[in-house]
Amino acid sequence: GQNIDQPTEMTATEGAIVQINCTYQTSGFNGLFWYQQHAGEAPTFLSYNVLDGLEEKGRFSSFLSRSKGYSYLLLKELQMKDSASYLCAIMDSNYQLIWGAGTKLIIKP
Amino acid sequence: DGGITQSPKYLFRKEGQNVTLSCEQNLNHDAMYWYRQDPGQGLRLIYYSQIVNDFQKGDIAEGYSVSREKKESFPLTVTSAQKNPTAFYLCASSAGGLDYNEQFFGPGTRLTVL
Repeated sequence: GQNIDQPTEMTATEGAIVQINCTYQTSGFNGLFWYQQHAGEAPTFLSYNVLDGLEEKGRFSSFLSRSKGYSYLLLKELQMKDSASYLCAIMDSNYQLIWGAGTKLIIKP
Repeated sequence: DGGITQSPKYLFRKEGQNVTLSCEQNLNHDAMYWYRQDPGQGLRLIYYSQIVNDFQKGDIAEGYSVSREKKESFPLTVTSAQKNPTAFYLCASSAGGLDYNEQFFGPGTRLTVL
């Protein structure tokens, strides 16, 4: 079967660093996406990984280990506006996205 | 500005009525998608279309119908056969093809069936 696991909720402090993990078991793998979704709004693209390693983009970085079926999203210098849900999605063998349930990140002052 | 529009933002319907949700994109994307989002669950694919006049069922197509008569438009009809239609509906598009392609999302329509 296909399975993507993320923590349901995390809390962090403004200015700190937080790591959101995603583990997966899917039928085929053609890349992993991270999206950000503020409450009641559309998801917006953050990052894409298809090869092992770290992709850095400003305050956000995403890591992938295909052999372990594992990824994480690292957010640095947290700001209040980073309070949102973070969605992990796998592109499967049919090039369709399979979505995790998302991690709700709460930032406290 | 290019983007995806969905209308309306909020929609209320009585049980037993069909309702059509609009989705339009001016990104010149070939592929379009409809997802449903419920609290505590990931996005679930309802229907997708990779080319005009062709569409495929997703994981939860029962009780829904779509059409793709124009490249820019991919309306979704929620029929009375859908057992639990109250949800947040998201439309997305991508360049399509067998390659990396990021999906771009519309603002969503929140449907409440009374």
